[in-house]
Amino acid sequence: DTEVTQTPKHLVMGMTNKKSLKCEQHMGHRAMYWYKQKAKKPPELMFVYSYEKLSINESVPSRFSPECPNSSLLNLHLHALQPEDSALYLCASSRMGLHNEQFFGPGTRLTVL
Amino acid sequence: GQQLNQSPQSMFIQEGEDVSMNCTSSSIFNTWLWYKQDPGEGPVLLIALYKAGELTSNGRLTAQFGITRKDSFLNISASIPSDVGIYFCATITSGSRLTFGEGTQLTVNP
Repeated sequence: DTEVTQTPKHLVMGMTNKKSLKCEQHMGHRAMYWYKQKAKKPPELMFVYSYEKLSINESVPSRFSPECPNSSLLNLHLHALQPEDSALYLCASSRMGLHNEQFFGPGTRLTVL
Repeated sequence: GQQLNQSPQSMFIQEGEDVSMNCTSSSIFNTWLWYKQDPGEGPVLLIALYKAGELTSNGRLTAQFGITRKDSFLNISASIPSDVGIYFCATITSGSRLTFGEGTQLTVNP
């Protein structure tokens, strides 16, 4: 199984809503990532989890809250988002150490009204 | 920070033509990756390169890790309409971070 899955595929939320994005992988990867991508731009790193611990937070606003319940799951909790947070949110996973290329999920298209 | 210069920014070609794109940097890297992204989907890993001078093929795709470790190219032979998409080069830097090029938008006319 070389797949990273993400749910939901699409999400529309108001600025006062609370929602969560979910990501799952069964490749035994111990590093998982959240990225934000705007149209026609490369993905921008938000968070990195290594061995289920948050290792990198790229100065992301606190209205984005990541969580890694176990080695296969990664969540991104959303609260009080702004319209400019509308984007494609991508999850990725990789091995640790050598040959640590990242595999991406299909993404969640988020629209904040 | 580290920057990857990817070119061309866009390409418009006829079906059956060969395509070449490349990435350069002023920094040395140990890994070069090439991804393809279709609209509304996540990037798909095409080729991973781990050794300077390495030349790797994946079907009609061929990629090389430059001998100076500062560049890489991707070739697509005999293009077909489903090759349409955005191609990104990327490298792995500190903390397992991926640094991406700005992408090459490929359009294939049937």
